[in-house]
Amino acid sequence: DAGVTQSPTHLIKTRGQQVTLRCSPKSGHDTVSWYQQALGQGPQFIFQYYEEEERQRGNFPDRFSGHQFPNYSSELNVNALLLGDSALYLCASSPPSTSGRSLAHNEQFFGPGTRLTVL
Amino acid sequence: DAKTTQPPSMDCAEGRAANLPCNHSTISGNEYVYWYRQIHSQGPQYIIHGLKNNETNEMASLIITEDRKSSTLILPHATLRDTAVYYCIVRVTFGNEKLTFGTGTRLTIIP
Repeated sequence: DAGVTQSPTHLIKTRGQQVTLRCSPKSGHDTVSWYQQALGQGPQFIFQYYEEEERQRGNFPDRFSGHQFPNYSSELNVNALLLGDSALYLCASSPPSTSGRSLAHNEQFFGPGTRLTVL
Repeated sequence: DAKTTQPPSMDCAEGRAANLPCNHSTISGNEYVYWYRQIHSQGPQYIIHGLKNNETNEMASLIITEDRKSSTLILPHATLRDTAVYYCIVRVTFGNEKLTFGTGTRLTIIP
């Protein structure tokens, strides 16, 4: 059973460019959350997608947008890149709330992340 | 902002129990205590969670004080592979509430 996968693993962009990061959730999961982790900091919540809609959003500007597809995979788009957008971008998936499984109350499973460097 | 306070770093000898403290004095009645860890260059990994009773699983034990204002994560026999940043998080569990990470505790296991 494949876990959460993300692509690409590393990416280098220049200021002002746009980037798209991709995430495939763990099998059976329908909710995808995105986090940004700057060097030396804990992950910061960007937004969460469920049923192809943004359900929650953290304190990130509109340059950060996302999408969820019918197969539950997701994309994170960042426009007009700034140097400060350099970070590890993490995707996490979680199962349906009504799965009936004895899981850790919507435990989130994280992917390995995409390392974005903005020059 | 994170609702938890953790020491920035700790060391533990290999084979000994590692005890990681966390303060969450403003925890609400419907919030659980979660622990995740992040090994270098990997995504965070769930360890354990609890509400008010002590919990144990194959990875660790979680001890929550009676007033729920603090907790301790215990790794009973630490190995070198337990070297990681450990995050204590308080979170409601209905829906799919986001995780609010602090800066965590960097645990180093010493051979």
